[in-house]
Amino acid sequence: SQQGEEDPQALSIQEGENATMNCSYKTSINNLQWYRQNSGRGLVHLILIRSNEREKHSGRLRVTLDTSKKSSSLLITASRAADTASYFCATDYGGSQGNLIFGKGTKLSVKP
Amino acid sequence: DAGVIQSPRHEVTEMGQEVTLRCKPISGHNSLFWYRQTMMRGLELLIYFNNNVPIDDSGMPEDRFSAKMPNASFSTLKIQPSEPRDSAVYFCASGRSALSSGNTIYFGEGSWLTVV
Repeated sequence: SQQGEEDPQALSIQEGENATMNCSYKTSINNLQWYRQNSGRGLVHLILIRSNEREKHSGRLRVTLDTSKKSSSLLITASRAADTASYFCATDYGGSQGNLIFGKGTKLSVKP
Repeated sequence: DAGVIQSPRHEVTEMGQEVTLRCKPISGHNSLFWYRQTMMRGLELLIYFNNNVPIDDSGMPEDRFSAKMPNASFSTLKIQPSEPRDSAVYFCASGRSALSSGNTIYFGEGSWLTVV
């Protein structure tokens, strides 16, 4: 399977702490994206990092990509209770049209 | 922007019945995706369309599942006959091709299907 795998499966932290989630994948990619899913809702795009980029920031989010290790990490700094959600990485392997393959996600719980 | 619109939001049906899920993609998007989400298997791509043409339907579980996109603003996913193991959340998503150019996809709120 080309599916990315997130690690850990679940993460529980206190408000104000940083949360780090990892994603590993198996073959070369064009880009990697992170999505967030609140309970009972659809997925929402957070950030995209291309294969030729190593790090990207968006607000309290920091994403890194190591293509040699085929891995990515998502760091949420100064977490808030509202960050409680599941976080998914999605890999774009390219092709003529392309499609995204999602991992199973990391369930983040931020306690007030 | 209205976002991706899915209907119904929730459906409970009896085994053997036909189920039709509907999706209206974001205007101007020419890629459309159907995903299924379960606790056991996570988020699985069932089929995706580009310019209304099915590109990859290898994720469709079996012949009981079919999907159509008669025009750029409407798609359906049909299950006939439905079985309890089809119970899941079905997501429709749309985007601008090609994803490999760095485009993202936008999800609807999902259709929560329970087959009893």
